[in-house]
Amino acid sequence: AQSVTQLGSHVSVSEGALVLLRCNYSSSVPPYLFWYVQYPNQGLQLLLKYTSAATLVKGINGFEAEFKKSETSFHLTKPSAHMSDAAEYFCAVSDPWGLTGGGNKLTFGTGTQLKVEL
Amino acid sequence: GAGVSQSPSNKVTEKGKDVELRCDPISGHTALYWYRQSLGQGLEFLIYFQGNSAPDKSGLPSDRFSAERTGGSVSTLTIQRTQQEDSAVYLCASSHGSGNTGELFFGEGSRLTVL
Repeated sequence: AQSVTQLGSHVSVSEGALVLLRCNYSSSVPPYLFWYVQYPNQGLQLLLKYTSAATLVKGINGFEAEFKKSETSFHLTKPSAHMSDAAEYFCAVSDPWGLTGGGNKLTFGTGTQLKVEL
Repeated sequence: GAGVSQSPSNKVTEKGKDVELRCDPISGHTALYWYRQSLGQGLEFLIYFQGNSAPDKSGLPSDRFSAERTGGSVSTLTIQRTQQEDSAVYLCASSHGSGNTGELFFGEGSRLTVL
C-alpha cells in the first residue's frame, strides 16, 4: 500500500517569505509523486510531478519540489510567497508500475492550507 | 466543454433519499476517477474507470454507493438511502491513458449536504 503524510494542516507565511510545505511518502515501489493545488471553490490542478527523472522538479507559479529517497520526502517550496498562493495544497503518490495492487489511482494526503499574510 | 464538468454543483437532500451525481470527462480521456473530499480528511478514492469497466472500486464505502460509466464518457455516481456522513464534496477527475503516470484533470465537484 502507498500513503502520503502532510505535516501541518495549516501553514501561514508573510508575503515575500519562503514557502515550505512538507510531504513524506510511504511506498514499497519507486513512486511517482505529485503536488496539486486547490483554490477556493475550484477543482484541483497539477502543480508539478516527479516521474523518476530529475529529482528537482519545477512547476507552475514558481513552485518546485525535491524528491529525496533517503528521507522519503517530496517537500514543496517557493522562494517568495505571493498573496495569490493562498490555497490548499495536496501531495499525492502513485504506483506507475502496477506492482502494489492498488490500481491506477493517486493516493492523496490530507492537504495543507496555505495562508499568506501582508 | 474543455474541462471536466460535474452536476449538480450543489445538492441538498434529506436523509434516506437517493442522489445521483454526474461527471462529464474531457473528451477522449479513457480514465475516470471519483474521489470524496471531506473536511480534514483529504481526498478519499472511491472508484476508477478505464473505459466503461471499473477495475478498481475498492474505495466505495458501502453497498449504498455505486457508479457506472457509459459510452466511455459520462459517469454517474449513485448514493442510495443517503446518510448524514455522506455529506462531502464529490470530485470527478479524468486522464488520458492510465492516469497514475500522468495528470488528472479535476472537475469543480458536487457538494452534497444530507440533512
